[in-house]
Amino acid sequence: DAGVTQSPTHLIKTRGQHVTLRCSPISGHKSVSWYQQVLGQGPQFIFQYYEKEERGRGNFPDRFSARQFPNYSSELNVNALLLGDSALYLCASSFAGQETQYFGPGTRLLVL
Amino acid sequence: GESVGLHLPTLSVQEGDNSIINCAYSNSASDYFIWYKQESGKGPQFIIDIRSNMDKRQGQRVTVLLNKTVKHLSLQIAATQPGDSAVYFCAERFSGSARQLTFGSGTQLTVLP
Repeated sequence: DAGVTQSPTHLIKTRGQHVTLRCSPISGHKSVSWYQQVLGQGPQFIFQYYEKEERGRGNFPDRFSARQFPNYSSELNVNALLLGDSALYLCASSFAGQETQYFGPGTRLLVL
Repeated sequence: GESVGLHLPTLSVQEGDNSIINCAYSNSASDYFIWYKQESGKGPQFIIDIRSNMDKRQGQRVTVLLNKTVKHLSLQIAATQPGDSAVYFCAERFSGSARQLTFGSGTQLTVLP
């Protein structure tokens, strides 16, 4: 079975632009969470979605938004990019009723 | 600041030896803990997890120990192999916070030949 998939793998943007990152969860998983991982640090929670509804939000500005589609895939949108948004963006999925989250390979975003 | 932290940023062990990676957490309301392994350029890979109503859990070559009295978590890897070289993260979930995980900063494990 395929694991969590994310696209694109790498992305280069300039300050002020916006970006959309995509995630497909493991088949059967209905919960998707997004994390930001700055180089040298652990992942930091951004959002969690379950059944297309936001169930949790981390300490990130309103420039960050997300949504989940009927097929449980998800998009993370970041507007007005800043240099500090450069990071590895990770998506994780989990099965309903289970805590274990499985991560995808991430999208590495570089903002110039 | 983060509530989950690691005692050592780096750990070097000889191939075949056992490894112990430690983690301290500060939130007594956390009810779930999980260890991930992250290789360079890859996403975190699930290793093992444990609920707060347990104090030990074993997997294949790995054991997680939870000491709630001193808010300490450890990951033991038996017969460490070169493929175990990676950054290891512990993470906690606060009770009632759905699936939001709070991660520590990680420990770099290097297996020496």
